[in-house]
Amino acid sequence: QKEVEQDPGPLSVPEGAIVSLNCTYSNSAFQYFMWYRQYSRKGPELLMYTYSSGNKEDGRFTAQVDKSSKYISLFIRDSQPSDSATYLCATNTDKLIFGTGTRLQVFP
Amino acid sequence: DARVTQTPRHKVTEMGQEVTMRCQPILGHNTVFWYRQTMMQGLELLAYFRNRAPLDDSGMPKDRFSAEMPDATLATLKIQPSEPRDSAVYFCASNRGDGNTIYFGEGSWLTVV
Repeated sequence: QKEVEQDPGPLSVPEGAIVSLNCTYSNSAFQYFMWYRQYSRKGPELLMYTYSSGNKEDGRFTAQVDKSSKYISLFIRDSQPSDSATYLCATNTDKLIFGTGTRLQVFP
Repeated sequence: DARVTQTPRHKVTEMGQEVTMRCQPILGHNTVFWYRQTMMQGLELLAYFRNRAPLDDSGMPKDRFSAEMPDATLATLKIQPSEPRDSAVYFCASNRGDGNTIYFGEGSWLTVV
């Protein structure tokens, strides 16, 4: 079993839709949770970062962590074609462990 | 605009050949990571260094892969001999050792035929 599991998609939604991306993790000791965004043929870039449980909002993006169920979510409101990318969840001890990524396509 | 620099960006090589990928971490970053990305496995950590010392290379096939940091501004990943299953994107990343945010390069796209 991978330490971080993520549905690879692809996920295709119309512009303006609310997108929900999810991951599960296995180790209850994980405390830091991140979402990276990776555009085609580019390296991943940090999008959101949360510590422990709860929500964090940044513009149209909300990251949510539920430690009781070991569940990580990223919500995108009013999705735009420019949001089309692969989204990777990650968590860490001393090194980052990534999910396989969910490919998202937002069509006009 | 500080960034992690990787070379080559693209490499096509024949099976059995040696491949060397190079990485210049962001100035001031003391921790360097090598990741491999494939469709099937996603991003896998191969090895990482802190202050040029290898901390973990358990993700790396030991018989053909080697990683080094000759100095603080250069990290290398070598595959010898290369095999078709090594075809992937290899990312270098760096940070200040705080364990949270890491900054990725653009990747080296390797195809072994």
